[in-house]
Amino acid sequence: GEDVEQSLFLSVREGDSSVINCTYTDSSSTYLYWYKQEPGAGLQLLTYIFSNMDMKQDQRLTVLLNKKDKHLSLRIADTQTGDSAIYFCAENGAGNTGKLIFGQGTTLQVKP
Amino acid sequence: NAGVTQTPKFQVLKTGQSMTLQCAQDMNHNSMYWYRQDPGMGLRLIYYSASEGTTDKGEVPNGYNVSRLNKREFSLRLESAAPSQTSVYFCASSLGLVLETQYFGPGTRLLVL
Repeated sequence: GEDVEQSLFLSVREGDSSVINCTYTDSSSTYLYWYKQEPGAGLQLLTYIFSNMDMKQDQRLTVLLNKKDKHLSLRIADTQTGDSAIYFCAENGAGNTGKLIFGQGTTLQVKP
Repeated sequence: NAGVTQTPKFQVLKTGQSMTLQCAQDMNHNSMYWYRQDPGMGLRLIYYSASEGTTDKGEVPNGYNVSRLNKREFSLRLESAAPSQTSVYFCASSLGLVLETQYFGPGTRLLVL
C-alpha cells in the first residue's frame, strides 16, 4: 500500500542547516512535495520535485530524491526562527489520481 | 485573490449534532478536496471532487457527506457528529486532478463533545 514516513521532531540552532527526511513506498509517484504548516495555519506548498530529477534547489531549500531507496529529503540552509513549523512530505500516489498521501509531519524547532 | 477560504474557523458540537463546513476558492480551480488532520497522522483525504458535478470517496469517508455546489464551493457535512470526528479539517483545491499543485485553506478546528 501507499505509505509515507517521517521522523516527528528536529531541533536545530539558528544559522545551522536543517535536514528533514522522508521515505515513501509508491515508486509510481510522479511528483513529491514538501509543505510547511505554521501554527494555526493551513499548509503552504514549499517546493516539489518531479520523479525523474535527483535534486532541486530553490534559494535556501534543497530537495534530494533517491528514487532507488524511495528517500526524499529537504535541506534548509541558514535556518531561521521563522522556519519553525511542521513540514510535511507528500506523494501523489499510484495512478496520478490527485490523491496526495502525506507523511505524519516533522516539527522543526529552531533555537536562537 | 483570497485563495481558499473556509468557514467556520472553529466549532464545538455535541455528539449527534449535525453541521456543514464550507469551503470556497476563487482561483477557477476544477478540483477540490477535504482532508482531516489528526496529531501524528498527517493529513488524510476524506472526499474529493475532480470537477463540478462529481465527488468521490477518499481514504476516510465514513460519517461524512459532501456537495460540490458549483465550481467555487465544496461543502463537507457531518450528519451526526461523533467524538472521533474531533479534528482539524482542511479544504484544498487544484487546477486539475492530475499532477497539479493543491492549495490549502486555513482549516476548521472541530471539537465534538
